[in-house]
Amino acid sequence: AQRVTQPEKLLSVFKGAPVELKCNYSYSGSPELFWYVQYSRQRLQLLLRHISRESIKGFTADLNKGETSFHLKKPFAQEEDSAMYYCALKYQGGSEKLVFGKGTKLTVNP
Amino acid sequence: EPEVTQTPSHQVTQMGQEVILRCVPISNHLYFYWYRQILGQKVEFLVSFYNNEISEKSEIFDDQFSVERPDGSNFTLKIRSTKLEDSAMYFCASDFGGADTGELFFGEGSRLTVL
Repeated sequence: AQRVTQPEKLLSVFKGAPVELKCNYSYSGSPELFWYVQYSRQRLQLLLRHISRESIKGFTADLNKGETSFHLKKPFAQEEDSAMYYCALKYQGGSEKLVFGKGTKLTVNP
Repeated sequence: EPEVTQTPSHQVTQMGQEVILRCVPISNHLYFYWYRQILGQKVEFLVSFYNNEISEKSEIFDDQFSVERPDGSNFTLKIRSTKLEDSAMYFCASDFGGADTGELFFGEGSRLTVL
């Protein structure tokens, strides 16, 4: 079964510090992985997806198939990065659904 | 910028009552979804809808749940006889489908409280 694990429920860092939000997945096929973000009082929105290999708002995430991980990183956290971050998996081959992790609440302190 | 809209934002109902949650997806999207999030838990897939029929549903989506696109713009989730455990935030989402899938556009959610 497909599963997404975000081991940290809460993560707190200081402004300017590096941040890494961990995500591990369980899926035997070829996954598509995403990070969604929910800022306070806003809707869930896509932050980035692994197939784009892009950097959004300074965040990057690399798919490591050997370690089945898709950790989200940013070298210098900003206060406006404080939000809930959800890792999500979509498996190729007909299904449209996303499987979400439980989310990590990131707090960036001044 | 077009957005997915949901109504009501919050509904309180008695156990056993029927509830309808409404969503207006982005107009040129083809796939529609309902997800739910019980407080403190993860966002869970309920159902996907394409071409006027359910394309996939989860184990959660039992006979008490139904979805409908009655008029080409609204996309509704009906819970026939609510239970306490149906209390959750329900999110509607839509996307284009096709090769560039993955970016779901979410509504702000409808919080359902069952007493």
